[in-house]
Amino acid sequence: EVVLTQSPATLPLSPGERATLSCRASQSVGRYLAWYQQKPGQAPRLLIHDASNRATGIPARFSGSGSGTDFTLTISSLEPEDFAVYYCQQRTNWPPTFGGGTKVEIK
Amino acid sequence: QPHLQESGPGLVKPSETLSLTCTVSGGSISDFYWSWVRQPAGKGLEWIGRIYKTGRTEYDPSFQSRLTMSVDTSKNQFSLNLRSVTAADTGLYFCARNFYYFLDVWGKGTTVTVSS
Repeated sequence: EVVLTQSPATLPLSPGERATLSCRASQSVGRYLAWYQQKPGQAPRLLIHDASNRATGIPARFSGSGSGTDFTLTISSLEPEDFAVYYCQQRTNWPPTFGGGTKVEIK
Repeated sequence: QPHLQESGPGLVKPSETLSLTCTVSGGSISDFYWSWVRQPAGKGLEWIGRIYKTGRTEYDPSFQSRLTMSVDTSKNQFSLNLRSVTAADTGLYFCARNFYYFLDVWGKGTTVTVSS
């Protein structure tokens, strides 16, 4: 099973700042990695698939990069609605696995 | 985009079977794979398994021995049955549509508590 380690666990930032979230895989997953956003009381929302492709309707301030074992989600300028928990997920190996999450909180 | 709605008992006794159904509206169940994911309170996401219209399933090994998923294309529904539940199975259960093993449409989730 591929283990995904996200860092940091918590990221305190202010609106307008840039957020950089990391996801590291225990073995190569190629580019088969996705990012999700989850707000309290809501289902996760797919943001990025295949490392760098924005899902339908996702604003351009969200971008993904990386391949192999190291991936990054960048939010270029935080909007108030972006404060949430973010999860990465790989699909290279069965079972698909999720990272433990990074909480982006208001500083 | 389709709408997904989970349904089922919110309370299940230990050692019994947890049964949930996901109803898909605004789209055909026949065109995609469909998954169940759960989230213990305050914790991260766990993939449970997925199913196709043919009944073909893929289960996470952690659940393999006590999990059965099924699909009813005539009702546009798919279901989960998890046997011999314990308190560790308490959590928020989501159904979701697969997009190449990613999950692009989700239900709102249903809370299941395992307690006597």
